[in-house]
Amino acid sequence: KAGVTQTPRYLIKTRGQQVTLSCSPISGHRSVSWYQQTPGQGLQFLFEYFSETQRNKGNFPGRFSGRQFSNSRSEMNVSTLELGDSALYLCASSLGAGGYNEQFFGPGTRLTVL
Amino acid sequence: AQSVSQHNHHVILSEAASLELGCNYSYGGTVNLFWYVQYPGQHLQLLLKYFSGDPLVKGIKGFEAEFIKSKFSFNLRKPSVQWSDTAEYFCAVNPDNDMRFGAGTRLTVKP
Repeated sequence: KAGVTQTPRYLIKTRGQQVTLSCSPISGHRSVSWYQQTPGQGLQFLFEYFSETQRNKGNFPGRFSGRQFSNSRSEMNVSTLELGDSALYLCASSLGAGGYNEQFFGPGTRLTVL
Repeated sequence: AQSVSQHNHHVILSEAASLELGCNYSYGGTVNLFWYVQYPGQHLQLLLKYFSGDPLVKGIKGFEAEFIKSKFSFNLRKPSVQWSDTAEYFCAVNPDNDMRFGAGTRLTVKP
């Protein structure tokens, strides 16, 4: 079974631009969560989608948004990029939503904002 | 603020030494607990998890963790580390259906 895939793997953008990251979950998984990983802050939860609905949202500004499609693929969008948005963005999928499901992580998208 | 705390930022051990990585959380009520590992250049992967039952949980690669409810702790242990255990280890807690991670502990095992 293929793992979680994320595209693109690397991105370089400039301040003020916007970016869209994509995540394809493991086949059959309906929950997708997004995380931001930085050396200073560690792994921070962005949001979780289940069956095309946002179930939970972390403490990030409205510039960070996401959506999930009917095939469970998810996209994350960051508008008006800031230097501090430079990070590794991780996507994780699980069979169901909630705390009893193991999350499987993708390789991440490394975003650099110049 | 509610949080997940990993006490050690960087741990350096020699091969065959015993390992204990601390994890404390401050969420009340029922929580699910996890340890994830990220080997250099690889994805985060699950080491072990605790939902209920026996508080001593065994995971992959000889790791185990003990849930002590009274101490709000879920420490990770391994009796004898190997060079291949060099990685970053993350404790995670799942209260209220969203996963909260600790800052991570980098483990370096010297051959």
